[in-house]
Parts: sequence; C-alpha cells; structure tokens
Amino acid sequence: GEDVEQSLFLSVREGDSSVINCTYTDSSSTYLYWYKQEPGAGLQLLTYIFSNMDMKQDQRLTVLLNKKDKHLSLRIADTQTGDSAIYFCAEEAGATNKLIFGTGTLLAVQP
Amino acid sequence: GAVVSQHPSRVICKSGTSVKIECRSLDFQATTMFWYRQFPKKSLMLMATSNEGSKATYEQGVEKDKFLINHASLTLSTLTVTSAHPEDSSFYICSAALLAGDGEQYFGPGTRLTVT
Repeated sequence: GEDVEQSLFLSVREGDSSVINCTYTDSSSTYLYWYKQEPGAGLQLLTYIFSNMDMKQDQRLTVLLNKKDKHLSLRIADTQTGDSAIYFCAEEAGATNKLIFGTGTLLAVQP
Repeated sequence: GAVVSQHPSRVICKSGTSVKIECRSLDFQATTMFWYRQFPKKSLMLMATSNEGSKATYEQGVEKDKFLINHASLTLSTLTVTSAHPEDSSFYICSAALLAGDGEQYFGPGTRLTVT
C-alpha cells in the first residue's frame, strides 16, 4: 500500500543544519515533494525531485533521494527561526496526480 | 502566479447544518482540484479528486453523500459538508493542478471548520 513516514519532531539551534527524513513505499512515484506548512496556513511547495535524480540543491535546501531504500531527505542549511514549521514530504501516486503525504515533521528552531 | 484561494478561512456552524467551502484558482484554469482534510497534528488526507464537469472521485472511506463536491468551472470547486457533526471539525485544504498529469499542485490557505 501507499505509506509515507516521517519522524514527528526535530529541534535544532539557529544557524545549524536541519535534516528531515522521509521513507515512502511506492517505487513507481515519478516526483517526490517537500512542502512547508506554517501554523494555521496552507502548504507551500519548497522543492521537488524527479525520481531519476539522486540530489537536488536549491539555495539553502538540499534534497537527497535514495531510490533503492525509498528514502528521501531534506537538508536546510543555516536554519533560521523563520524555518520553524511543519514539513511534509509527499509522493505522487503513479499517473493519477494524487499526492500521498507523509505524517509531517515539526521543526523547532531555537534561537 | 498560480494562486489558489479558499473561502471562508474560518467557519463555525451548529451541528446538523450544512457548510459550503469554495476553492478558486485565481490566475489559472485548473483541470483538476483536490480536497484534503487535516486533523490536528496529523498529515493531510486526500478526500477526493474533482475534474471540471465530471463527478468527483472519492477516496476509500470518504462519504460521498456527506462531502458533496462540485467542480462547475475551471476556476471553482466547492465542498459542502452536509449535516455537519462535531467530528467533522477539521482543517480543509484544497489544491489545484494546472494541467492533467502535471505533478505540481497549488494549495489554498485552508478553511478551519468548527462544528458546535
């Protein structure tokens, strides 16, 4: 079945790097996404990676994909207090355009 | 570009009444719109997928008669929670896809529904 797992909580100090991990089960996923949700708000697409890539870098964000292990990670360099939010990974289920979301990781950045 | 709005942002209603939530794509035409429900401290659960002019496709376990979805135009989809109960209280988020098969979805800001 389709199941996407994330750790629930991560706490880091301002200026440190944050690494948020995600495991998924659908090996046919074409795209994998990272979204950010601030309190009481909708989702903001941060970045995505195509399944035939193993790394993508976008400014402070680095996405690593291990397709063999079905493991996805998001690294945020120089984490700031404004990065505090819930981060969701999501996989695209086959060709249906459906997104299967992970459980979300609450990132708390300590000043 | 690619802005999606939802209205209302918050609604409180009494048990037994119906509530309509609108989702609009403001600057693009959305072939497909999605409705999600988010429980406190939980992930988003896809409720249904709607394509303009056709019936919505509901996910397993979602009651079609309770959560009525209408996608009358390429810029508007509505979710009506009928005969709402306190357990329907949740954060409802819609998203819109620009093109069929295009992976990117643009999310609305969400609607907080509280049923008393």
